[in-house]
Amino acid sequence: AAGVIQSPRHLIKEKRETATLKCYPIPRHDTVYWYQQGPGQDPQFLISFYEKMQSDKGSIPDRFSAQQFSDYHSELNMSSLELGDSALYFCASSSFEGPSYNEQFFGPGTRLTVL
Amino acid sequence: GDSVTQMEGPVTLSEEAFLTINCTYTATGYPSLFWYVQYPGEGLQLLLKATKADDKGSNKGFEATYRKETTSFHLEKGSVQVSDSAVYFCALTTETGNQFYFGTGTSLTVIP
Repeated sequence: AAGVIQSPRHLIKEKRETATLKCYPIPRHDTVYWYQQGPGQDPQFLISFYEKMQSDKGSIPDRFSAQQFSDYHSELNMSSLELGDSALYFCASSSFEGPSYNEQFFGPGTRLTVL
Repeated sequence: GDSVTQMEGPVTLSEEAFLTINCTYTATGYPSLFWYVQYPGEGLQLLLKATKADDKGSNKGFEATYRKETTSFHLEKGSVQVSDSAVYFCALTTETGNQFYFGTGTSLTVIP
């Protein structure tokens, strides 16, 4: 079965650079979520989109922005990167229809390292 | 606000031992409850879920029962294997399903 795809899987950036993370949800899923998981931490919700509109906002820094496109893929843009942004970034998708309603399916994550 | 409190680890067990990882929650309304597992270097995988009170989720020998009276969703397995070594996260989502709230994770190591 198709799963959530994230790219790149690994990314190394310097401080003050920018990064773009991409997420491709499961086909026919209309909602995308972004999470940040620091070393040894639980995933922290950043932001979510439903039908290309922002639906909820968590602890996303002002330096970050995200959007969902017409094909439902989403991109997380991160600017002025800081050392503390080094983390595993997860994308998840869901659909409000069907037997998996209310369940989020997670991608493998993008590991961002800021040097 | 909504939150999940999870038993702290790390937990180390011998193979075939009984496992319990406690999870309690705070939420308004009727949340759905989940256990996710994260193997080293991998993403989160759904282990089991329960969407209403008294539901029991089960998968791969793991079980958890949604107890509204005690606001708990404890994870249990009767006989753990080395391959169960991972980090386990308890999570809830509200009725609108817009956001997941995760516990802090419990690291489990099973030794032969």
